[in-house]
This record gives sequence, C-alpha cells and structure tokens, in this order.
Amino acid sequence: NAGVTQTPKFQVLKTGQSMTLQCAQDMNHEYMSWYRQDPGMGLRLIHYSVGAGITDQGEVPNGYNVSRSTTEDFPLRLLSAAPSQTSVYFCASRRLVNTEAFFGQGTRLTVV
Amino acid sequence: GENVEQHPSTLSVQEGDSAVIKCTYSDSASNYFPWYKQELGKGPQLIIDIRSNVGEKKDQRIAVTLNKTAKHFSLHITETQPEDSAVYFCAASSGNTGNQFYFGTGTSLTVIP
Repeated sequence: NAGVTQTPKFQVLKTGQSMTLQCAQDMNHEYMSWYRQDPGMGLRLIHYSVGAGITDQGEVPNGYNVSRSTTEDFPLRLLSAAPSQTSVYFCASRRLVNTEAFFGQGTRLTVV
Repeated sequence: GENVEQHPSTLSVQEGDSAVIKCTYSDSASNYFPWYKQELGKGPQLIIDIRSNVGEKKDQRIAVTLNKTAKHFSLHITETQPEDSAVYFCAASSGNTGNQFYFGTGTSLTVIP
C-alpha cells in the first residue's frame, strides 16, 4: 500500500548540474502533478499530466521537463539547476475528476 | 486563472479553543474546495473537502463552510488539540484547465497546551 513514492528525499546539486526526481504511484490514478513549495508561497504547480503520453505546463514550468510514458511514473527533470530552484518538491496523484490528491513525502533540493 | 487567498498566515490558539482559517477565490467556475494538513517533514494530506452544491460539511471536530456568492470558504477546528498543530492549505478547482488545484499560501497553526 505504497501510495505515492518520491525519490530521493534530499539532494544537493551544484549550479548547472542536471537531475531527475522520481515519482511513482500504485493507485492507477490518471492525474499526476509536480509542485514546488517555497516559504510564504504555498504550493505552486510546475507540470501536470492527465494520462500516459499527455503532459502540460503549470504555473512555474521554466527550467523543468516532464514525461509520462506509463500511468505509474511521472519523473521531473531539472535540465541545468539554478539556485532559484532550491525548494521542496512534491509529486501528487488523483483521479481525473475533482477528488482527493495524494502527495508524496517530498524531495528537499538545494542548489549551491 | 484562479487566485486563492488564505488568512491568517499564522495562528496560535490555546488547547481546547477553536481555530478558523479563511480563504477567498476569484473564479466563479470553481466548484471543489479541499483542505489539506501538512505536518512537519511530510506531504499534505486531505482532511476535508466541500463541493459547490453544499454550504457546510462536518467531520467530527472539523467543519468547512462555503459561501458561493461571496466566493469564500472557511475551515473550523473545534476543541483544538496539540496534534492539530500543522500547516493548513486551502485549494480551489473548477475541473477545467486540466483540473488544476490552486492552493492558498498556507496557515501555520500552533495549539498551545
């Protein structure tokens, strides 16, 4: 009964490095999304997907790429990390229609 | 797009007192309003939600009210306990535009024993 699993939990990157944050869900949810959480700014949507092969941009997509090759997985790629991308990242999944979103435990990313 | 404002940003109450967190939204098409609780070091978890065809919903010590005309909704926690201490987020969604949830900026609630 894993729900939404994010890896890694912590990561430190140097400016310019690239990396992929992994997200997997085992609830067969159509909708998956990535948020970043910064102090005083709540949860801001980076990218989302309504099904395998379909992705779209959210509020703050610049500097991030996503793909959805399977229903279960929705990785987030940082192409060239910048200090402004220091944040806590959450992956979430839910049914397509307005229903409960299940969040992962988060990835705390620091870019130096 | 939708704009959700949440107040207050911080709230301290004595154990046993009530806590109220308020949110306003801008898009009249929004019809789903969930509330999430985030404990330290964890991801947000749904605690209650309300849809636009309902004015109030209760679940034990937690209640949510919705005023569609004024475009605001509130979370009420009665008989607060130390384990209620957390960050609370409201959100709004219309089911359109990719079914996006628009979140408020969060309220840090501290219940003082």
